[in-house]
Amino acid sequence: ETGVTQTPRHLVMGMTNKKSLKCEQHLGHNAMYWYKQSAKKPLELMFVYNFKEQTENNSVPSRFSPECPNSSHLFLHLHTLQPEDSALYLCASSQVAGPEGNTIYFGEGSWLTVV
Amino acid sequence: RKEVEQDPGPFNVPEGATVAFNCTYSNSASQSFFWYRQDCRKEPKLLMSVYSSGNEDGRFTAQLNRASQYISLLIRDSKLSDSATYLCVVINRNSGNTPLVFGKGTRLSVIA
Repeated sequence: ETGVTQTPRHLVMGMTNKKSLKCEQHLGHNAMYWYKQSAKKPLELMFVYNFKEQTENNSVPSRFSPECPNSSHLFLHLHTLQPEDSALYLCASSQVAGPEGNTIYFGEGSWLTVV
Repeated sequence: RKEVEQDPGPFNVPEGATVAFNCTYSNSASQSFFWYRQDCRKEPKLLMSVYSSGNEDGRFTAQLNRASQYISLLIRDSKLSDSATYLCVVINRNSGNTPLVFGKGTRLSVIA
């Protein structure tokens, strides 16, 4: 499936680096999400964008900065991260209204390791 | 009470067994329900929607009990490949910007 694609799939970065995760959805959806999943822990919602507008910031530290230039693309800019930020970052998209009824589709995730 | 609750498991069952999971939700206005499957180190993938009348897809049966506010997933004739974490998702479109709520998942291990 290539409905939601994420790059890079794996990223190792130092605590002083600046990097970005990229997500693109080809499903014509109007909502996009960033989730974080740490080892053996449940999904944590980070950010939600509806129609390119950020509608939720789930108390995420400012070292994570999302950007949604259009309804198909979503970025997560990373700056001065901590080792505990190492996790799987999942992008997802859904159609806010319509017959699918918010069914959410995930990308394969970006594995981030902060050293 | 948490918005969506699942027994984390693990459920360890032999091949061929029938296993069932429940997921309870607290918001009686919830409108849509789904089961997702997440394999180790992979993204969650939609397994099936849950309809009011119940629905079946091969060995998998999903049911909704609105009165008691839970959904269930029944897996018959378990296969080794069914080993995964099963997440329930509850949607309330009237709850503002984040209508989707994920449960924490139930781990299933099917043993040979």
